[in-house]
Order: sequence, then structure tokens, then C-alpha cells
Amino acid sequence: DVKVTQSSRYLVKRTGEKVFLECVQDMDHENMFWYRQDPGLGLRLIYFSYDVKMKEKGDIPEGYSVSREKKERFSLILESASTNQTSMYLCASSLTGTGNTIYFGEGSWLTVV
Amino acid sequence: AQSVTQPDIHITVSEGASLELRCNYSYGATPYLFWYVQSPGQGLQLLLKYFSGDTLVQGIKGFEAEFKRSQSSFNLRKPSVHWSDAAEYFCAGGNTGGFKTIFGAGTRLFVKA
Repeated sequence: DVKVTQSSRYLVKRTGEKVFLECVQDMDHENMFWYRQDPGLGLRLIYFSYDVKMKEKGDIPEGYSVSREKKERFSLILESASTNQTSMYLCASSLTGTGNTIYFGEGSWLTVV
Repeated sequence: AQSVTQPDIHITVSEGASLELRCNYSYGATPYLFWYVQSPGQGLQLLLKYFSGDTLVQGIKGFEAEFKRSQSSFNLRKPSVHWSDAAEYFCAGGNTGGFKTIFGAGTRLFVKA
């Protein structure tokens, strides 16, 4: 089975802190994604990466950056956390190509106080 | 613009009753479509997907969905709901040949005894 592992399930950070959310997948997938999930808004794509060191902005990249130094690892970085970034963050991965299943991690609940 | 719409924010059904969750899509070309389920506090799990071919798709946990091009719909059905089906359900899709999968806002299913 594909496994996407998010290192932290629950985090509480202070406004202005730099936050790292880490994600690792074990199926050699080319594509990796970071989504944000908020009630009533569904999943919104923050960034995705289709190869090592490659990244593309999604729908809501403002306030976020990403890093993909190795194929299996994709990190989401909040340079200066703000309270409006309190949310559930989901990492996902898929093979390259059209229509491939996206596999999700269990999510990281981030609260910014 | 490409979109996936789930008209129902939440639905309540009695255990043992049939279920239909609605999903409408807006794509110019042949779409690929998914249904995912999210249990509380968890990531998303794939229930089924349509890429081409037979328009009635069977998935896990007794779910099925039917692709209807004339209605731009991909509704999820289950003949008899179990209490463990209570969860949030997401429809998602994209264009064949494209790279971006769009998620609907989700429908939360409540099951009453």
C-alpha cells in the first residue's frame, strides 16, 4: 500500500513563527501536493511538485513556500505564521500522468495563536 | 472555468436506507472523476474513480457511481447505508491530458439509527 506520512498530526505555533510541515511518501511517486482544508471550502491546493526541486503554485500559495530536495520528501513552510493559517493541512502524492489516484496523508492540524 | 460542485453540504439518512450523493462537474474535454471519503480526523481515501469506458463504476465498501455526460454528473450511490459510512465525501476531477485535480467542497453524511 502507498503510504504518505505527515510528521506532525497536531501543532500549536505562535504568530510570526516559522513553521515546517514535513511529508514523506514511500511509493516513488513523481507528484507531491500540499492542500489546505477548511470547513465549507473543501481542499484547496497550495503548491505541488512534479519532480525534485520543481514546484508550481496552486490556488492559494500566498504566505507559503515549499521544498523538495529528495523525491520522497515534500515540505511546506510557513515563513511567518498568522492566525488565518490555522487549518488542516494535507499532503498527497501520485504518479505522473493524467487521472492517477492521489494518495493522502492523515493530515496535520495547525493552530496559530 | 473548470469546477466540481457538490450541491449538498450535509445529508442525513437512516441506517439501512439507500444513499445518493450528488456531484456535478464542468469540463470541456473528457474528464476523469473520483470520489474520496474522509473519516473524522483522517486523510482522504479513494472510493472509486472514472477514467473512461463503462460509465457505472464500482468502488470499495459497496459504493458505486455513474458518469452521465448529458447531465455533467457523477453521483455516488450505496443501496444500504451502515453507521460506519458516516463521514465526509469529496468528489474530484480534472481534464484528461491536464494535470490539476479539483475537489468539491464536500458533503458530510450523517447516519441515524
